[in-house]
Amino acid sequence: NAGVTQTPKFQVLKTGQSMTLQCAQDMNHNSMYWYRQDPGMGLRLIYYSASEGTTDKGEVPNGYNVSRLNKREFSLRLESAAPSQTSVYFCASSDGRGGFYNEQFFGPGTRLTVL
Amino acid sequence: QQQVKQSPQSLIVQKGGISIINCAYENTAFDYFPWYQQFPGKGPALLIAIRPDVSEKKEGRFTISFNKSAKQFSLHIMDSQPGDSATYFCAASWGNTGKLIFGQGTTLQVKP
Repeated sequence: NAGVTQTPKFQVLKTGQSMTLQCAQDMNHNSMYWYRQDPGMGLRLIYYSASEGTTDKGEVPNGYNVSRLNKREFSLRLESAAPSQTSVYFCASSDGRGGFYNEQFFGPGTRLTVL
Repeated sequence: QQQVKQSPQSLIVQKGGISIINCAYENTAFDYFPWYQQFPGKGPALLIAIRPDVSEKKEGRFTISFNKSAKQFSLHIMDSQPGDSATYFCAASWGNTGKLIFGQGTTLQVKP
């Protein structure tokens, strides 16, 4: 099992460009998440999907959109990239039933730089 | 009220020493408190977790201490090793939302 996979691993964009970060999981998990990690800020939730067909905003959704394509795949789109979106982006998945079922499994991350 | 505050931001410990990282929360609805470990260039991975009806949980050299009345919990790493050098995040969640609220992270360096 590959677990959670993310593409690309690295990306450099110019201000105003768009891109989509891809995420897939093979653990048959119901819930999927997108986080950004910035120094001293911890992991901040951008969007999450509790189940196939549903998405909800997290703590820092502005400037991002998501699509839960099917149970396996959850993509994050930057429509018009800004330097403030320079960050490391992590996708995660979990069973989603709460409590100890909340263990989230993380992908390896995408390091994004916006010039 | 949804925040989890973590301290210290960084920590340097000698090999064999005890590493202690603290977290505090406000939301009394939180019912699951995990700790995640992240090595450079990798995604975080679950290290150990606790429910609020238990005051302590131990797994090998790692122990969570939980103080429900003070709304605080901490991670203790006994006999710290250079291989424990990583960033540690505390987190909290509630109900069946599946969402986790993460602390700011602590970078631990264990010197040989």
